[in-house]
Amino acid sequence: DTGVSQDPRHKITKRGQNVTFRCDPISEHNRLYWYRQTLGQGPEFLTYFQNEAQLEKSRLLSDRFSAERPKGSFSTLEIQRTEQGDSAMYLCASRPTGMGEQYFGPGTRLTVT
Amino acid sequence: EDQVTQSPEALRLQEGESSSLNCSYTVSGLRGLFWYRQDPGKGPEFLFTLYSAGEEKEKERLKATLTKKESFLHITAPKPEDSATYLCAFAMGGSQGNLIFGKGTKLSVKP
Repeated sequence: DTGVSQDPRHKITKRGQNVTFRCDPISEHNRLYWYRQTLGQGPEFLTYFQNEAQLEKSRLLSDRFSAERPKGSFSTLEIQRTEQGDSAMYLCASRPTGMGEQYFGPGTRLTVT
Repeated sequence: EDQVTQSPEALRLQEGESSSLNCSYTVSGLRGLFWYRQDPGKGPEFLFTLYSAGEEKEKERLKATLTKKESFLHITAPKPEDSATYLCAFAMGGSQGNLIFGKGTKLSVKP
């Protein structure tokens, strides 16, 4: 396994459209995280999964955002009715039980026009 | 309120000019202090984890240290390929372990 992968790497969409991103974590990692990063800022936590259970959501995750991890493996993050303020890099990270450090994927750069 | 502050925001060094980056934190119950490197347009790359005051970790030209209030990332004789944004973060308490990041220090090393 070469690490966390994310797809697509870049997405340009028009305001009001829906978008979905995919994250494939490192195979033995049961914990998966989504973060959002804007220019000049550090990543901000969005949501967390332990296996297939979504255990925590940030206040940043509005009702237009939904995340799933149906079989405890890959995860998807969907944004409905995109707004220009949603333009950011969306990062996925994973880690195994018992370790603190998270390993990040390359990110999906979203541009809403 | 738990928070982490990094300084300076940007640092320009000549190749071979050693320096340090600072990460200060106010956290009720630290559960790990993490350093990451991030290149433009890429995800953060894990460097170090520190758990207790006095702990030190080294990797090539980088050395991370931790006190009760701050962490330093020391860069010895940097090279142009060390140019990147360096992020520090701490882990929230509980089993979830989501990370709270600082804004980062953008390091530029000129040949």
